[in-house]
Amino acid sequence: DGGITQSPKYLFRKEGQNVTLSCEQNLNHDAMYWYRQDPGQGLRLIYYSQIVNDFQKGDIAEGYSVSREKKESFPLTVTSAQKNPTAFYLCASSITRSSNQPQHFGDGTRLSIL
Amino acid sequence: DAKTTQPTSMDCAEGRAANLPCNHSTISGNEYVYWYRQIHSQGPQYIIHGLKNNETNEMASLIITEDRKSSTLILPHATLRDTAVYYCIVRPPLGQGGSEKLVFGKGMKLTVNP
Repeated sequence: DGGITQSPKYLFRKEGQNVTLSCEQNLNHDAMYWYRQDPGQGLRLIYYSQIVNDFQKGDIAEGYSVSREKKESFPLTVTSAQKNPTAFYLCASSITRSSNQPQHFGDGTRLSIL
Repeated sequence: DAKTTQPTSMDCAEGRAANLPCNHSTISGNEYVYWYRQIHSQGPQYIIHGLKNNETNEMASLIITEDRKSSTLILPHATLRDTAVYYCIVRPPLGQGGSEKLVFGKGMKLTVNP
């Protein structure tokens, strides 16, 4: 089945530690996105990428980093500089970043601080 | 900021049609209306989107008023699995107001009852 796979489903981080969240898609989509969702709140855009080897900051990029070395993969690293990393992280992809193309989401990774 | 207004919650009987309203009175002529839903602890699921014409797919129908100031998502035969938070989103064109991101408001909780 085509889709977006996020792993792991649950992740725990110690203080001062970097962690990397995986996002893989086999939909042949050019554009990929990372959002963060906090309880009772909407989604906030962290980073997005419209093509391999290119990515742009979203609204809350501080404390996060990404790479796009392959079309199907867009990993997100939550660095120790992110002071409030506990959240539900969602990866999405779309054929292009056109407003006429829907974004399709993975099932998320829930990150907690130990 | 979300540019849409939805009721906080709605109930529907299983097997009946669910009509979910959304007001977007400030929508511009080239902005799309998108509908997503999110079941607890899962990623948002794309349902349907449209610009001016009514749209139908295997999941739902989208009815947009002629003045485009409101729309209705119709689930023709609601099931218990349709219980979720439904989000109506207005998305600007590329390069205008950040069409890269989806701005989710508080959404509307639909509960389908047996």
